[in-house]
Amino acid sequence: GENVEQHPSTLSVQEGDSAVIKCTYSDSASNYFPWYKQELGKRPQLIIDIRSNVGEKKDQRIAVTLNKTAKHFSLHITETQPEDSAVYFCAASVQGGNEKLTFGTGTRLTIIP
Amino acid sequence: GAGVSQSPRYKVAKRGQDVALRCDPISGHVSLFWYQQALGQGPEFLTYFQNEAQLDKSGLPSDRFFAERPEGSVSTLKIQRTQQEDSAVYLCASSFTGRGETQYFGPGTRLLVL
Repeated sequence: GENVEQHPSTLSVQEGDSAVIKCTYSDSASNYFPWYKQELGKRPQLIIDIRSNVGEKKDQRIAVTLNKTAKHFSLHITETQPEDSAVYFCAASVQGGNEKLTFGTGTRLTIIP
Repeated sequence: GAGVSQSPRYKVAKRGQDVALRCDPISGHVSLFWYQQALGQGPEFLTYFQNEAQLDKSGLPSDRFFAERPEGSVSTLKIQRTQQEDSAVYLCASSFTGRGETQYFGPGTRLLVL
């Protein structure tokens, strides 16, 4: 089955700097890659997703890049703000297949004011 | 509109007790997923429904775990004879069709087995 690895497990950046989180996946059939943000004790919330027919997607300060050949994808957050502090999870799934999400182990992002 | 809701939000059970966890998906959502999230880990897939049909239960860790969605809306995850290793947050998610659609998560039920 699919295996998703995520790095780093913790990340601290100064407010205003950029943060990058990287994930790799193993199943070449995976074609949908969402990123979820989870604050302490709260539900995971989708922040951005990308499908395998595109290499990059951007939404304001957040961007995701996908390299299908290397089977890795990354989350980029620019101009970080204190409210960006949370745990971020990457995930992969086969849309049109079994649809289940396989998650990475998470990155705890701390923004230092 | 209302998001995915789950109840109870917290459940403490003595080892050996049976528990039932409820999920109310977003109205009209066809697909429903259950995930288990251990402390400090990412959610792990348990089972998947499309309407009332359970299409994938490959993630259920043992035959003590059972899920149902009899009318294609509300779903219940039942755990029989709970064990300490069952302690986790149980998350429910729903999506409109399940085919390339965003999964929206509920707040989870935090289960503690003593």
